[in-house]
Amino acid sequence: GAGVSQSPSNKVTEKGKDVELRCDPISGHTALYWYRQSLGQGLEFLIYFQGNSAPDKSGLPSDRFSAERTGGSVSTLTIQRTQQEDSAVYLCASSLVGALANYGYTFGSGTRLTVV
Amino acid sequence: DAKTTQPPSMDCAEGRAANLPCNHSTISGNEYVYWYRQIHSQGPQYIIHGLKNNETNEMASLIITEDRKSSTLILPHATLRDTAVYYCIVRLREDYKLTFGKGTLLTVNP
Repeated sequence: GAGVSQSPSNKVTEKGKDVELRCDPISGHTALYWYRQSLGQGLEFLIYFQGNSAPDKSGLPSDRFSAERTGGSVSTLTIQRTQQEDSAVYLCASSLVGALANYGYTFGSGTRLTVV
Repeated sequence: DAKTTQPPSMDCAEGRAANLPCNHSTISGNEYVYWYRQIHSQGPQYIIHGLKNNETNEMASLIITEDRKSSTLILPHATLRDTAVYYCIVRLREDYKLTFGKGTLLTVNP
């Protein structure tokens, strides 16, 4: 597609349940990022995938969070045993790497997660 | 932690130029200045970037001071749709992380 696609756009889940958030990056973009934005807060880096390299998971807040990227394209962010503090907008972005990375990242519209 | 300082908010009249300042006094020689904006309920959108020369594209102009310690993003004819939070980010070209600060909330008034 023309942009980064995220699904679902909204998700309400009960505390303790697991959720999966999906990101379809721009075709050909080898780098993929997950960020989250809590209400009224800035963007917080979560994880970075680049090609076949080991992902940078340094931003994941706890071991309840995990992410994978299959076939170098679609990525899934999984949150296990959700807590109320996990409520946030989860944003995915993709980019080209190398000289063309100067053109910046393209973000999706995000998934608004509400844990009740 | 963000390496930039921006005013928390600014106002601009519709049709006038919006000049958004950013201080980055600790910028190193090979770090770029990037600008993104985030319109309410949307993901951030790339606007422009530069190293030391002034840059212009269809969205905005970026003016970087000679000592590179500050820059200004210029929206030449602001519209109501330009109301957003504008983020100034300093980053090495090969650094894949974007570290967002709190940005400047620009409100364009009719």
